[in-house]
Amino acid sequence: GQNIDQPTEMTATEGAIVQINCTYQTSGFNGLFWYQQHAGEAPTFLSYNVLDGLEEKGRFSSFLSRSKGYSYLLLKELQMKDSASYLCAVRPLSGYSTLTFGKGTMLLVSP
Amino acid sequence: KAGVTQTPRYLIKTRGQQVTLSCSPISGHRSVSWYQQTPGQGLQFLFEYFSETQRNKGNFPGRFSGRQFSNSRSEMNVSTLELGDSALYLCASSLERRVQETQYFGPGTRLLVL
Repeated sequence: GQNIDQPTEMTATEGAIVQINCTYQTSGFNGLFWYQQHAGEAPTFLSYNVLDGLEEKGRFSSFLSRSKGYSYLLLKELQMKDSASYLCAVRPLSGYSTLTFGKGTMLLVSP
Repeated sequence: KAGVTQTPRYLIKTRGQQVTLSCSPISGHRSVSWYQQTPGQGLQFLFEYFSETQRNKGNFPGRFSGRQFSNSRSEMNVSTLELGDSALYLCASSLERRVQETQYFGPGTRLLVL
């Protein structure tokens, strides 16, 4: 099975950079996803990694190391609207659409 | 293209009752997954349907069931409701043409069991 760990909460200041870590224990997977979820809203897709390395998408980047069972989401030039929960999820080897989620990291951005 | 829609958005039930939630995926998406989200447990997978067949099931009791229709719309049913079933129920759909295909979530149905 999969066991995914993320910090529960993080705080940062507007304009700063924050790194949200995700560690996982799994026998294998077809990719690691990051989602953003604002309070009371649906999760929205941020990034996908399947190979080791960094994927950059504007202010957001995601990194994966399969050998270390580790991923992080990097958010640059933080804005107040980035205050949200960030969810790390893995897709099992079955190849189906199912995702196994971590409990999420609540990020609070202050002025 | 319209997104994933879920009805109803809010629901209040009492213990012992049963409830049916509905999900309409994005047009063309054939895979529909259901998740339960609670503050304590986070997002937990319930089940996944593809072409009217349940392909995968999470670790939930048999009181939780679902189905998918030929137009890919899906319903989930919870019988004999318990207080602990109070949660946000999220539906997600995907095209599933590629392994990196993401899931698109609906706004959810917030269920309160009294």
